[in-house]
Amino acid sequence: QVQLQESGPGLVKPSQTLSLICTVSGGSISSGGYYWSWIRQYPGKGLEWIGYIYYSGSTYYNPSLKSRVIISVDTSRNQFSLKLSSVTAADTAVYYCAKTSYSSRGYWFDPWGQGTLVTVSS
Amino acid sequence: EIVLTQSPGTLSLSPGERATLSCRASQSVSSSYLAWYQQKPGQAPRLLIYGASSRATGIPDRFSGSGSGTDFTLTISRLEPEDFAVYYCQHYGSSLWTFGQGTKVEIK
Repeated sequence: QVQLQESGPGLVKPSQTLSLICTVSGGSISSGGYYWSWIRQYPGKGLEWIGYIYYSGSTYYNPSLKSRVIISVDTSRNQFSLKLSSVTAADTAVYYCAKTSYSSRGYWFDPWGQGTLVTVSS
Repeated sequence: EIVLTQSPGTLSLSPGERATLSCRASQSVSSSYLAWYQQKPGQAPRLLIYGASSRATGIPDRFSGSGSGTDFTLTISRLEPEDFAVYYCQHYGSSLWTFGQGTKVEIK
């Protein structure tokens, strides 16, 4: 079955750009039929959807983060990535990537990667 | 943006008991777009229910979802030791996914 794994620096300085990669195994991003999302979870446990990408490269971002987010896809490596610019301490969170299903029965995230903690600190 | 409010914040129960978790939306939503997740410490959330009432693959039938409009419920018929965790509801609407703040089910 599909598995996802996040990777990237665990510590980012304020004002810099957070960069993460999600590697997908057990299935091809290029097969279509799903979105590929980034979600974060704050230390207080709240969850926030960041955005998604389709294999074609089309994206949609949470309006609250849109000005700072870029999600891209590399189908040759079966990976998609997140860049979040101008980070502050408020961006400290566990970042997850997730396969996103959509149908007449709804839109949901399954499965999720294990998550990676990113701390913003000087 | 639709706000999801979960209650109670914490539910203290014993194994074998029935758990009833609530998720209330700030305005009426399509039940098709309501999902539930379970999260254990140090793990990613796991999908339990989508479309308000459909169990995800591999989810035991002691988990059930119901509701419509603004009020949705996740019921665990008989709590097993592995069910003590945090549960989140999630909604999709207007190209935006939102989550409730979670309900912790703890051992009494």
